[in-house]
Amino acid sequence: GENVKQHPSTLSVQEGDSAVIKCTYSDSASNYFPWYKQELGKRPQLIIDIRSNVGEKKDQRIAVTLNKTAKHFSLHITETQPEDSAVYFCAASGSNYQLIWGAGTKLIIKP
Amino acid sequence: ETGVTQTPRHLVMGMTNKKSLKCEQHLGHNAMYWYKQSAKKPLELMFVYSLEERVENNSVPSRFSPECPNSSHLFLHLHTLQPEDSALYLCASSQEAISGANVLTFGAGSRLTVL
Repeated sequence: GENVKQHPSTLSVQEGDSAVIKCTYSDSASNYFPWYKQELGKRPQLIIDIRSNVGEKKDQRIAVTLNKTAKHFSLHITETQPEDSAVYFCAASGSNYQLIWGAGTKLIIKP
Repeated sequence: ETGVTQTPRHLVMGMTNKKSLKCEQHLGHNAMYWYKQSAKKPLELMFVYSLEERVENNSVPSRFSPECPNSSHLFLHLHTLQPEDSALYLCASSQEAISGANVLTFGAGSRLTVL
């Protein structure tokens, strides 16, 4: 069945360094790839998304890249700050109104 | 009140109880969703409603019963749950539910504990 694999499950980086989270997907028909951020005790919120007709998208310190041939996409956060600490979820559009979700990456920013 | 509001935020119930979770959205969206979130697992889609019509039921056990009386309100009725149903239940809404390419606005969730 359709699935999205996300890694690493936990990522610890020094404040100011960059963080990269990777996801692979199985459905070649997927054409929409969002990233959601969930801070501790709070709701998931969309931080960036990309569609299959674009290879890269950037919004200030965050960027997403997509490789449709290899069926993987990545989230890049530069100059990490304490407020970037959260769980990040990737997802890929599936069939029948569904988003297929990754299991999440807990990002820890060390001071 | 703006966004997506869920009540109650916390619920503890026994396996024989009947309770309901409520979700309300003030965004004018046409689609609403119930998700189950368990630790270190992907979000599990349970139900999707588009213009008050259920369009997706992801093989959810019948002890979970959704209700969507109008496009702004969504309920999840709970009956004879099991301890493994303990989780965070998230409600979400989106402008449309035409495909999976929808931006979701989530509520803060209802933390359910089944004893």
